Amino acid sequence: KTQVEQSPQSLVVRQGENCVLQCNYSVTPDNHLRWFKQDTGKGLVSLTVLVHENDKTSNGRYSATLDKDAKHSTLHITATLLDDTATYICVVGDRGSALGRLHFGAGTQLIVIP
Amino acid sequence: EAAVTQSPRSKVAVTGGKVTLSCHQTNNHDYMYWYRQDTGHGLRLIHYSYVADSTEKGDIPDGYKASRPSQENFSLILELASLSQTAVYFCASSGTNTEVFFGKGTRLTVV
Repeated sequence: KTQVEQSPQSLVVRQGENCVLQCNYSVTPDNHLRWFKQDTGKGLVSLTVLVHENDKTSNGRYSATLDKDAKHSTLHITATLLDDTATYICVVGDRGSALGRLHFGAGTQLIVIP
Repeated sequence: EAAVTQSPRSKVAVTGGKVTLSCHQTNNHDYMYWYRQDTGHGLRLIHYSYVADSTEKGDIPDGYKASRPSQENFSLILELASLSQTAVYFCASSGTNTEVFFGKGTRLTVV
């Protein structure tokens, strides 16, 4: 059973527009949640990690929120660029150490057009 | 700079042949992992290791073996490659707290 669901599956936006990606999960315990960016044919690059209830993080044009009560996270990308075209993957960790397991979503494919 | 290096980056193997994928990390991390990624699916854990000379089964270990000869190196072995093992394979290492780094992936095609 999939424990991390991402929506939408794919999204097309025009350069300069903002977009929001969603992540819902059922992983228990939910120690932390991380968003990765994966360019086509490349590895996963960490964008941000959220740890605490109602955490909010910001990393340049990327910002994220976490609601542990609702088991829900959002990734906001403002003023999108063509280079933002990639797959964005939500990952939930069930422990705060390397002893934990990572649970991966299938990703949201974002395409930014001119 | 933290790094996880995978080799080869791509490989074509024949059905029934033996394939070895290698992973090397310079992060001084205890934990290393092998995942596979299939189109439209999240990464799935094949094997992992938390100390040299020891490996553990992940969620989909069938058809795969792993070897951890040192803290820095972790290999994934397909003794008898099958068509269903065509996928992209990722190695990762993790340390304390939430830190985790991934390699760039190995694209394996079994024909």
